[in-house]
Amino acid sequence: DGGITQSPKYLFRKEGQNVTLSCEQNLNHDAMYWYRQDPGQGLRLIYYSQIVNDFQKGDIAEGYSVSREKKESFPLTVTSAQKNPTAFYLCASRHRDRARNTEAFFGQGTRLTVV
Amino acid sequence: AQTVTQSQPEMSVQEAETVTLSCTYDTSESDYYLFWYKQPPSRQMILVIRQEAYKQQNATENRFSVNFQKAAKSFSLKISDSQLGDAAMYFCAYRSVTSGTYKYIFGTGTRLKVLA
Repeated sequence: DGGITQSPKYLFRKEGQNVTLSCEQNLNHDAMYWYRQDPGQGLRLIYYSQIVNDFQKGDIAEGYSVSREKKESFPLTVTSAQKNPTAFYLCASRHRDRARNTEAFFGQGTRLTVV
Repeated sequence: AQTVTQSQPEMSVQEAETVTLSCTYDTSESDYYLFWYKQPPSRQMILVIRQEAYKQQNATENRFSVNFQKAAKSFSLKISDSQLGDAAMYFCAYRSVTSGTYKYIFGTGTRLKVLA
């Protein structure tokens, strides 16, 4: 079945450590997104990528980094520079072609907790 | 910049009754998409309904329908014959078409409780 897979589902990190969240899709989607969800704040865009080897900062990119070396993969690294990393992280993807008129498809998320 | 506002943090509805969730947005663009997503306790985001701004007809999907008022920049979701499984967080989202960035901008969500 096609879909978006985020791993791990739960992740614990010590302060000062970098950690990478995985996002893989087999939907042949061009665009991929990372969102952060905090209670009462909805989903906020961290980074997005519309094609391989290209990505743009979203609204809250500070303390995060991404790469897009393959169409299927868009990993997110939470660096030690991110001051408040504990949150729920959602990855999404969609076709770029407007004629397809597709919505964003989401993974099941990763809950990151700094201990 | 575009913004999406959901002014109802929480709503309750009796099973089998109808409820309307509100959403307003701000944009200077004329062509865009609007969406309602549902996030149940599993936290999986599920598309409920979409609306294309250039279509005047309101979208419907079974028990879900929208009231799209483009001039007022309003996009409310009506859930008819509410069921216990409708209990979830509901997010309104905007996506630009003309800007080329194709970012999705989400509201802060409305938590819907369904009372048996």
